[in-house]
Amino acid sequence: GQQVMQIPQYQHVQEGEDFTTYCNSSTTLSNIQWYKQRPGGHPVFLIQLVKSGEVKKQKRLTFQFGEAKKNSSLHITATQTTDVGTYFCAAAGNMLTFGGGTRLMVKP
Amino acid sequence: GAVVSQHPSWVICKSGTSVKIECRSLDFQATTMFWYRQFPKQSLMLMATSNEGSKATYEQGVEKDKFLINHASLTLSTLTVTSAHPEDSSFYICSAPYRGALNQPQHFGDGTRLSIL
Repeated sequence: GQQVMQIPQYQHVQEGEDFTTYCNSSTTLSNIQWYKQRPGGHPVFLIQLVKSGEVKKQKRLTFQFGEAKKNSSLHITATQTTDVGTYFCAAAGNMLTFGGGTRLMVKP
Repeated sequence: GAVVSQHPSWVICKSGTSVKIECRSLDFQATTMFWYRQFPKQSLMLMATSNEGSKATYEQGVEKDKFLINHASLTLSTLTVTSAHPEDSSFYICSAPYRGALNQPQHFGDGTRLSIL
């Protein structure tokens, strides 16, 4: 079946530093989605990428979909304490498969 | 926008009790809903896919008789943890794809924290 690897598992950064999480699928995807889960909360949908090589931005967040549609990344520029949480990718084949998540901790 | 409501938020009960969790789509119809389990600081583990009008599809290793799922209408799915024991304590979350297709973005409920004493 489809496997989704997400790295790193954890990342501590100083406020103002950049952060990137990577997601890799064993199969070619129809789309990939990113979610954020704040501590104690539930996952919230951030964005969906559909096209090969697609890049989308949401303020300080930049999302990329690989040319082969098997990998993706989420980059946060100049992290803030409000960015704290776990970021999950969700790889879409016939179903959605969630990555293990990257837990971001930001030191003020 | 589309919202998924999950109830209750917290449950604390004695071992052997059965607990029912409800998941409702508030302003859209959901023929399919998903039930996840999440342990602290871990990822979402898909337990089962709930299908309106038919039997749920369970993931490997999930006991059907332990986790009963009923999808009674286009807006309601329930998960009943039968005869719960401390090892069933976890965070249970439901979701529904708001564009209908299984591989489209999902709206999640707020989750239910279940603690079995």
